[in-house]
Amino acid sequence: EDKVVQSPLSLVVHEGDTVTLNCSYEVTNFRSLLWYKQEKKAPTFLFMLTSSGIEKKSGRLSSILDKKELSSILNITATQTGDSAIYLCAVEETSYGKLTFGQGTILTVHP
Amino acid sequence: DGGITQSPKYLFRKEGQNVTLSCEQNLNHDAMYWYRQDPGQGLRLIYYSQIVNDFQKGDIAEGYSVSREKKESFPLTVTSAQKNPTAFYLCASSDAGTSGRLGAEQYFGPGTRLTVT
Repeated sequence: EDKVVQSPLSLVVHEGDTVTLNCSYEVTNFRSLLWYKQEKKAPTFLFMLTSSGIEKKSGRLSSILDKKELSSILNITATQTGDSAIYLCAVEETSYGKLTFGQGTILTVHP
Repeated sequence: DGGITQSPKYLFRKEGQNVTLSCEQNLNHDAMYWYRQDPGQGLRLIYYSQIVNDFQKGDIAEGYSVSREKKESFPLTVTSAQKNPTAFYLCASSDAGTSGRLGAEQYFGPGTRLTVT
């Protein structure tokens, strides 16, 4: 059975801290790994990673995929209270865009 | 504005009743998806549809049914056979785009929180 595991499950930090969220996966036919941010309701897309070792960056957020280790990390530098959210990792298989999601990491940033 | 709408936001039902959750998109996306989200369990796929009049079961389809009569609409019915229906339900859609790959980037609706007592 395909599996995506995120760690930690929850994290509490103060503004200005740097955080690293982890995602590891075991899927039969890996195609890509995606990160989403869910603040209140709808998850919003952050990154899609397909190639190992290539960092994707958007402002203070960055992510990298390690296909050898079957894992990815999401880094957030200089955290702000607006970064408080659930961060979801999902893996796409080669068949018809099916995504398998991890449990999510709940990030809380205190002022 | 393009997007996905789900209605209602909150829904309360008595045990034993069927209930239908609405999902509409005006993004002209081919594929649509239904997920269920429970605390600590992330999103789990219920059903998905790649084209009109066709749909496939996801990982937890038992007790649910769907239809895809129009490209923009993908309603989900939670039947009385679903043993634990109280949850947050998310609808999503995706487009093949230039890559021809469905689902790589999914756009989500705001969700419906269903409570069954």
